[in-house]
Amino acid sequence: GQQVMQIPQYQHVQEGEDFTTYCNSSTTLSNIQWYKQRPGGHPVFLIQLVKSGEVKKQKRLTFQFGEAKKNSSLHITATQTTDVGTYFCAGPVDSNYQLIWGAGTKLIIKP
Amino acid sequence: ETGVTQSPTHLIKTRGQQVTLRCSSQSGHNTVSWYQQALGQGPQFIFQYYREEENGRGNFPPRFSGLQFPNYSSELNVNALELDDSALYLCASSLGVGGPRNEQFFGPGTRLTVL
Repeated sequence: GQQVMQIPQYQHVQEGEDFTTYCNSSTTLSNIQWYKQRPGGHPVFLIQLVKSGEVKKQKRLTFQFGEAKKNSSLHITATQTTDVGTYFCAGPVDSNYQLIWGAGTKLIIKP
Repeated sequence: ETGVTQSPTHLIKTRGQQVTLRCSSQSGHNTVSWYQQALGQGPQFIFQYYREEENGRGNFPPRFSGLQFPNYSSELNVNALELDDSALYLCASSLGVGGPRNEQFFGPGTRLTVL
């Protein structure tokens, strides 16, 4: 069945360092969504990418959708403590737009 | 505009019992999806309701069932609870089932513990 793989599982960074998470689908996606889940919280929608090769920025966050629409990445520049949480990518299954989720990348700021 | 709400917040049940979880969708949203999230994992799709009809189902057994009401609120019912059903159950509402506006808005979740 369709799978969405996300790496790494964890990333430890010093505050101020950059963070990147990668998402790969076994099939072409019509779109990809990114969510953030704070510890003890629920997923919160960040962005949706639709076009091949699309790049979108939200302040320090840069989202990319691959040319083949099978991979995506989220890059955070100069991490802050408020960035702590788990970042998930999710893509629709077939034509019903039900989402299949990656396992998430947990961003941990080193003390 | 009210957000997605879920009840109860926490629940403890014993194996074999039945449970009903409730969700009120965000105002104006006609689609509700239910997810199971085990600790340290991503949400797993259970099923989705669109205008009171089930609109797709994930890899969950029939003892997971649901309803959507005319006001688009929804229930998730789980019969014959098993220990592995212990998880955070998330409800998400969205506008429609596709296109550029199917971003999902999640409720705070119900933490179910099965003993």
